[in-house]
Amino acid sequence: EAQVTQNPRYLITVTGKKLTVTCSQNMNHEYMSWYRQDPGLGLRQIYYSMNVEVTDKGDVPEGYKVSRKEKRNFPLILESPSPNQTSLYFCDSSSGSPHNEQFFGPGTRLTVL
Amino acid sequence: GENVEQHPSTLSVQEGDSAVIKCTYSDSASNYFPWYKQELGKRPQLIIDIRSNVGEKKDQRIAVTLNKTAKHFSLHITETQPEDSAVYFCAASRIPTFGRGTSLIVHP
Repeated sequence: EAQVTQNPRYLITVTGKKLTVTCSQNMNHEYMSWYRQDPGLGLRQIYYSMNVEVTDKGDVPEGYKVSRKEKRNFPLILESPSPNQTSLYFCDSSSGSPHNEQFFGPGTRLTVL
Repeated sequence: GENVEQHPSTLSVQEGDSAVIKCTYSDSASNYFPWYKQELGKRPQLIIDIRSNVGEKKDQRIAVTLNKTAKHFSLHITETQPEDSAVYFCAASRIPTFGRGTSLIVHP
């Protein structure tokens, strides 16, 4: 079954405490991305990766890091979380054209106190 | 960078009516235009997409049209059903910039 998983699904933490949100896909997709979703702002891309060891900034990368050491995993790292990073986070993976398919993970709701 | 505007922000229709959501984009180099459906509390789901070399694409009750000259594209849902109620997002470009979403409410 095609699947994108994220962990944890819910996290409450405090300012400055480093955290990692994992994202894993089992479809051998090359493309993976991270988004945050905030009320009234829709989805905004944080970082994306077009393949192993290839990552690039999206629209809102400040305060985040990513790595792509293997094709299936694309973790999102918050080195020093702040309250303005409280949000709903989604990762996704997709194949390249022409037979594009795209799947989102279930989401991670992060609260930074 | 790309800028995507989406209208309306809320759309209320009666079951069986058609619904149209419109998006405009700014970057003439954008060549890929997906649409997503997000039900309450769920993840976004790709429902249809169109590439810049195509003017229209249809999949059962949903269709997307693209006008590259005017830089706008639209989602059309015919014979709406209550289960079509969700937030719909448009996006432009392969590394997407999203519209802010349209909340579609289909009344039985």
